[in-house]
Amino acid sequence: QSALAQPPSVSEAPGQRVTISCSGSSSNIGENAVNWYQQFPGKAPKLLVYYDDLLSSGVSGRFSGSKSGTSASLAISGLQAEDEADYYCAAWDDRLSAWVFGGGTKVTVL
Amino acid sequence: EVKLLESGGGLVQPGGSLRLSCEATGFTFREHVMNWVRQAPGKGLEWVSSIVDSGRSSGRSTYYADSVKGRFTISKDNSKNTVYLQMNSLRAGDTAVYYCAKDHAADYDILTENRFDSWGQGTLVTVSS
Repeated sequence: QSALAQPPSVSEAPGQRVTISCSGSSSNIGENAVNWYQQFPGKAPKLLVYYDDLLSSGVSGRFSGSKSGTSASLAISGLQAEDEADYYCAAWDDRLSAWVFGGGTKVTVL
Repeated sequence: EVKLLESGGGLVQPGGSLRLSCEATGFTFREHVMNWVRQAPGKGLEWVSSIVDSGRSSGRSTYYADSVKGRFTISKDNSKNTVYLQMNSLRAGDTAVYYCAKDHAADYDILTENRFDSWGQGTLVTVSS
């Protein structure tokens, strides 16, 4: 069981908006920055969003991150077929002195 | 261009050992936290270990996931721009693709700076008899 909770999957039609939630606790998300990673099948993960809501270099503006309390979210607007991938949230946990990841969310474009 | 190249993966029997290497190019190696992250087949990402060079405090600091503490050891050789992961007492549950990842920051003093901004292609470790 992952320290950060994400829905296993989300799906939406092309052009629509999807939101992926990431729920943690006061020792991780509540205290530290949240980063999001994108991973295509058979490929290495790639940094997508860092420090809660900042886009990594080269990332489309259709992606956005937010955080409130002990939860964070990643939104993808104008959904495209190329956005089909797994998405992971991550944060440093002060209590564990460790990085914790969410279980990952598979985004499917219908 | 940052490049991270892992090597050393393979098939090992339960209870055996393996050492992974990750050679880094394209950045000042000693000025960044280095990490290992693994992914079991069909599963999600799991952070394994981090190593902080001198940073703002003296000496090196290492961090481990509870699942590998006491069995795995992370180290680095700045003269070779290489980070290692020595894995002992391997179990079936350690079977995974192991990724080397570079942190944007030099240490854990300002956590808003920390993120894995470059990743290697991964090396597969299979623990099976």
